[in-house]
Amino acid sequence: EPEVTQTPSHQVTQMGQEVILRCVPISNHLYFYWYRQILGQKVEFLVSFYNNEISEKSEIFDDQFSVERPDGSNFTLKIRSTKLEDSAMYFCASSERTSGVGYEQYFGPGTRLTVT
Amino acid sequence: LAKTTQPISMDSYEGQEVNITCSHNNIATNDYITWYQQFPSQGPRFIIQGYKTKVTNEVASLFIPADRKSSTLSLPRVSLSDTAVYYCLVRGGNNNDMRFGAGTRLTVKP
Repeated sequence: EPEVTQTPSHQVTQMGQEVILRCVPISNHLYFYWYRQILGQKVEFLVSFYNNEISEKSEIFDDQFSVERPDGSNFTLKIRSTKLEDSAMYFCASSERTSGVGYEQYFGPGTRLTVT
Repeated sequence: LAKTTQPISMDSYEGQEVNITCSHNNIATNDYITWYQQFPSQGPRFIIQGYKTKVTNEVASLFIPADRKSSTLSLPRVSLSDTAVYYCLVRGGNNNDMRFGAGTRLTVKP
């Protein structure tokens, strides 16, 4: 069964550093997403991406965050200057479409980001 | 986006049927009801989706009454490995963002 993959599984960085989290969505999917989950808290939507542009973003997704699809397979989340409160599990997801059958989102295993 | 309410936690025993009910009083006409499962340190996993009446797949059943203001996820004969957090989400057909609530933490005991 096809799956979403994410690298690295764990990233440790110092406050103020830039990090790039990588995801490879399922190959025939067209819609891509990033979520985060702070330890012990709920899953929070960050951003959705379609046709090489952001389609929706939450209030969490401020100027420190950016997303990119640099080639035909990867989907990245960049945090420009990390803060302690960015420490969380970051999940990438993809879906075939956004309505009707096939709009369910498939999540990757996550990247645990630790900011020290 | 319709707000959902579900129990914070539930306990069950192996072999029992578990029913988790979710309230979504403000559901809109074009909203679908979707359930996800999450194990610790893993991403959410899609379980089932429905619009009305009953939907069944190899994992679960979803019951939706005519007014669609609630839905019930039914897990037949749970095992220890079904211990997880279960999320009910309501979203319109073209909404890209999924807003997860706190979910229901199901604990299955031997």
